[in-house]
Amino acid sequence: GNSVTQMEGPVTLSEEAFLTINCTYTATGYPSLFWYVQYPGEGLQLLLKATKADDKGSNKGFEATYRKETTSFHLEKGSVQVSDSAVYFCALSDRAAAGNKLTFGGGTRVLVKP
Amino acid sequence: NAGVTQTPKFQVLKTGQSMTLQCAQDMNHNSMYWYRQDPGMGLRLIYYSASEGTTDKGEVPNGYNVSRLNKREFSLRLESAAPSQTSVYFCASSEGGVLETQYFGPGTRLLVL
Repeated sequence: GNSVTQMEGPVTLSEEAFLTINCTYTATGYPSLFWYVQYPGEGLQLLLKATKADDKGSNKGFEATYRKETTSFHLEKGSVQVSDSAVYFCALSDRAAAGNKLTFGGGTRVLVKP
Repeated sequence: NAGVTQTPKFQVLKTGQSMTLQCAQDMNHNSMYWYRQDPGMGLRLIYYSASEGTTDKGEVPNGYNVSRLNKREFSLRLESAAPSQTSVYFCASSEGGVLETQYFGPGTRLLVL
C-alpha cells in the first residue's frame, strides 16, 4: 500500500532561519506529491504540489522537488517568518486509484520564534 | 464563496449517542471526502464520494456512515459514538481528477466521553 513518512516535530526555529522538513513515500504506482499547511485553528490548505519526477513545486518561498530515485519530497524555505508557524503535512495521491484519495504523513509542527 | 463549511464546530457526546456532522461546498466540486485527524497520525480517510450518488469506504470506515445528499452536501453519521472516535473531523472537496487540489473545511472537534 501507499504510505508517507515525515519527520516528527516540533521543529523550533528563529526567524530568518533555514527550514527543511523531510518527507519520504512508498507508493505502488506513480504518485503525485503535495505539501499541505494547517495554520492554528484552521483546516488544511494546499501549499505546493508536483506531479512527476524532477518537478519542483514552489509557493510563498517554500520549495520541494519530486525525487523519484530517493522517493522523497523534502520541503525547504530559506528564511522563515513567525507567520510560518503551522503544521505541515506531506501527502501523495495515487493516480491509478479512483477518487483522488490522499495519503498523509503524520504532520510536522513548526514553531518560529521572533 | 464560502468554500467548504462544516457544522458544528465543536461537539461533546456521551458514549452511545448518535450525531451527524454536516459538510457543504459551493465550488460545484464533484468529489467530497471525510477525514479524521489524530495526533501524530496525520489525516486518515473515512469515506469519500467520487461523484454525486456514489460513496466508498476509505481507510477507517468502521463506526461511520455517510450520505451524499446532493452535489453540495456530504454528511457523516456516528450511529453509536465511542471514545475512540474522539478526534477532529475534516471535510474536503475537489474537482475529482487525480491531480486536483482538495479544499478543506475548518473542521469539527468531537469529544466522546
